[in-house]
Amino acid sequence: SQQGEEDPQALSIQEGENATMNCSYKTSINNLQWYRQNSGRGLVHLILIRSNEREKHSGRLRVTLDTSKKSSSLLITASRAADTASYFCATPERGSNYKLTFGKGTLLTVNP
Amino acid sequence: EAGVAQSPRYKIIEKRQSVAFWCNPISGHATLYWYQQILGQGPKLLIQFQNNGVVDDSQLPKDRFSAERLKGVDSTLKIQPAKLEDSAVYLCASSPPGRNQETQYFGPGTRLLVL
Repeated sequence: SQQGEEDPQALSIQEGENATMNCSYKTSINNLQWYRQNSGRGLVHLILIRSNEREKHSGRLRVTLDTSKKSSSLLITASRAADTASYFCATPERGSNYKLTFGKGTLLTVNP
Repeated sequence: EAGVAQSPRYKIIEKRQSVAFWCNPISGHATLYWYQQILGQGPKLLIQFQNNGVVDDSQLPKDRFSAERLKGVDSTLKIQPAKLEDSAVYLCASSPPGRNQETQYFGPGTRLLVL
């Protein structure tokens, strides 16, 4: 079963704008990860946030985690055309840190 | 550092035929995963290996899918016989030992079309 669900399913913005994607999950987790997938390619790990962290930054990426609401958000600032991709959140299944369940993803299109 | 290698990149077969995919993980990565990604969906774990042993294959359709990692390095995933609903991208991933095991590194995938 799908643990994480991303919202929105699709997002279209102009270059330079910020993009925010959300992920909701159902059960308690130890960590939550975000991955990016360019068209027809494999997934690339972006960032991992642990359950005792509320916010984490990596370059133009900012991830938040609210364990009370079982939700996370990924913010991409000053977007570029190269950020066009699908973004997935992934959560470990109960009892495992390594068996990941992925959501259906958010398709982000950044228009030049 | 070389990434996860997969071959072939594309495969077209007819239903009831057999097909095999190959994966070579990043050197030193003990854990290897095979995922199935149907169009419009997120990846779904099929099987997880730790060295040459199976950790989890609960979502592998064992009547038609099989996988092996005999020497604890590269791995093959086989489908026999294939069905139309097996059309998907098959992704291989690996993760390093130790505290960074939570992060998975993915190969480019094999896109399978079953006609």
